[in-house]
Amino acid sequence: AQSVTQLDSQVPVFEEAPVELRCNYSSSVSVYLFWYVQYPNQGLQLLLKYLSGSTLVESINGFEAEFNKSQTSFHLRKPSVHISDTAEYFCAVSGVGGFKTIFGAGTRLFVKA
Amino acid sequence: EAQVTQNPRYLITVTGKKLTVTCSQNMNHEYMSWYRQDPGLGLRQIYYSMNVEVTDKGDVPEGYKVSRKEKRNFPLILESPSPNQTSLYFCASSLLPSGTGPRETQYFGPGTRLLVL
Repeated sequence: AQSVTQLDSQVPVFEEAPVELRCNYSSSVSVYLFWYVQYPNQGLQLLLKYLSGSTLVESINGFEAEFNKSQTSFHLRKPSVHISDTAEYFCAVSGVGGFKTIFGAGTRLFVKA
Repeated sequence: EAQVTQNPRYLITVTGKKLTVTCSQNMNHEYMSWYRQDPGLGLRQIYYSMNVEVTDKGDVPEGYKVSRKEKRNFPLILESPSPNQTSLYFCASSLLPSGTGPRETQYFGPGTRLLVL
């Protein structure tokens, strides 16, 4: 079985500042890792994912996340945030060979001008 | 346009009155799933389906039923709704390459907000 912990429920940050949203997971098997973003009143959209290979994965809008197997983490970072990044971010994990997906509780990122 | 549609988008009902929330996808995806989203709890998986006539329980299946008679449709049935099923529900779909598990991107519907009085 897998579990996901997002360590911060809310992260306020000023525009153009860097941000890190933390995600830790536990699993007895190899995993796939995902970050999804939910803008207000919308469904979730994939931001980026780690399946295998390079531990650093990037999205098209400047976010990146690094898979750290020893620390069982998959933190999301952006060097300079915009007002439009205000949203809720969910970390998710699924086990290789399984069929369930487990989501974290979410981190609400609030970017202030 | 590739999409996942859900109906209705908003629903108010009373305890015990059976209801169905429909979900349909036009991407020929094998994998479909239902989640509920509650404040502070994130998304929790209710049921999922690997293909037609193949379904299994997620983490919170109590009080829900599903069926997968066609590849494109995956309705969620609440036989006797109760107030603790008041929530925001999302349907999602993805490809499911043989033997790899859910590694593909899940595409989410717009959500159905349910209030059970």
